[in-house]
Amino acid sequence: AQTVTQSQPEMSVQEAETVTLSCTYDTSESNYYLFWYKQPPSRQMILVIRQEAYKQQNATENRFSVNFQKAAKSFSLKISDSQLGDTAMYFCAFMPSISNFGNEKLTFGTGTRLTIIP
Amino acid sequence: GAVVSQHPSWVICKSGTSVKIECRSLDFQATTMFWYRQFPKQSLMLMATSNEGSKATYEQGVEKDKFLINHASLTLSTLTVTSAHPEDSSFYICSAPDRVQMNTEAFFGQGTRLTVV
Repeated sequence: AQTVTQSQPEMSVQEAETVTLSCTYDTSESNYYLFWYKQPPSRQMILVIRQEAYKQQNATENRFSVNFQKAAKSFSLKISDSQLGDTAMYFCAFMPSISNFGNEKLTFGTGTRLTIIP
Repeated sequence: GAVVSQHPSWVICKSGTSVKIECRSLDFQATTMFWYRQFPKQSLMLMATSNEGSKATYEQGVEKDKFLINHASLTLSTLTVTSAHPEDSSFYICSAPDRVQMNTEAFFGQGTRLTVV
């Protein structure tokens, strides 16, 4: 079974600053996917960024980037030039390889509540 | 991206009654859907995997007789909370992968807030 750990229950940062959210995971799988999801007050889950474990290059999506350290089983999210709209719960999530359909279930961390201060 | 619609957004029911929550894939076929439960200020916990045309697979500790799942078509899965009690009050979220696109993104419904009084 997989576990995902987010050790920062809450964080806050001034608008326009950079913030890094931590995530570690444990798995015996060799192929898998890692995600960061954002859950704003509306509670709609929104995909922020995705990383394939077999790729060494860290994923980036505009202001969002990850630092993926496979050996250390670490997957942190960096938000640059933070904006008020970034205020939300952020969940790190793990998905095993989708070689078998029906296996696309996600294991979530406990979340980090991020507040961007004007 | 693909759209998953969940209905209702919120529901209040009396203890002992049953409540049905629908999860629809609007622009793609979902042979598999996942049902999660989220308690206040907590993470999402997978309850069950819903498979079109076959029985759902429940996670350990989830009562299959209380949380009935039906996936009768390629675009609709339903979760029925039977004989609901206050401890069933929670936020329920469904998700589905779009396998035609063969990517790994899970598309989530808007969630349903269930309050049992």
